[in-house]
Amino acid sequence: AQSVTQPDIHITVSEGASLELRCNYSYGATPYLFWYVQSPGQGLQLLLKYFSGDTLVQGIKGFEAEFKRSQSSFNLRKPSVHWSDAAEYFCAVGAQDGNEKLTFGTGTRLTIIP
Amino acid sequence: GAGVSQSPSNKVTEKGKDVELRCDPISGHTALYWYRQSLGQGLEFLIYFQGNSAPDKSGLPSDRFSAERTGGSVSTLTIQRTQQEDSAVYLCASSAPWGTSGGADTQYFGPGTRLTVL
Repeated sequence: AQSVTQPDIHITVSEGASLELRCNYSYGATPYLFWYVQSPGQGLQLLLKYFSGDTLVQGIKGFEAEFKRSQSSFNLRKPSVHWSDAAEYFCAVGAQDGNEKLTFGTGTRLTIIP
Repeated sequence: GAGVSQSPSNKVTEKGKDVELRCDPISGHTALYWYRQSLGQGLEFLIYFQGNSAPDKSGLPSDRFSAERTGGSVSTLTIQRTQQEDSAVYLCASSAPWGTSGGADTQYFGPGTRLTVL
């Protein structure tokens, strides 16, 4: 069974600073990987996804993530955060067997300080 | 181009009562999912419908939970004899047929239904 670990429950960064949110997965083959963002009181919005090919994927709002098979990681990065990036971020893994249910990490809450 | 909609947005019920939560997926999406988001458990998969195939019910926590999808579109999640531990946000998502974009397609989430069991 697949699993996802987001080791950081809460991260605080200054506006304009760079950001990296960690995600490690466990899956027997090449997984489908996703990052979603959830603002307070809102549903989940997809930031980016990895299926195959280039291991560096670009997403919306200036986010990117890199798939590293050797480290079983899919960390999310942004070079300069904005106050509007404050939200909860979820990493998720899906299987490549046609059943698309996602397994989510426990989320990382991002706080931005001026 | 409406997104996934869910109703009600909030539901408060008494322990022991039955509740029904509704999900309207994006038109043309053949796959529909229910997830539950709670403080202690994070985001958990509940059930998955794909076209006319038998649903994957492997995530349902007990036999008090059931779901159906009528006409391949609208879905209803029913919780019978609600318990306080059922309090959570119930999220619905839909996606295009598997393989549409070369693999698992993006799941689009609705705003959720916040269920509170007193």
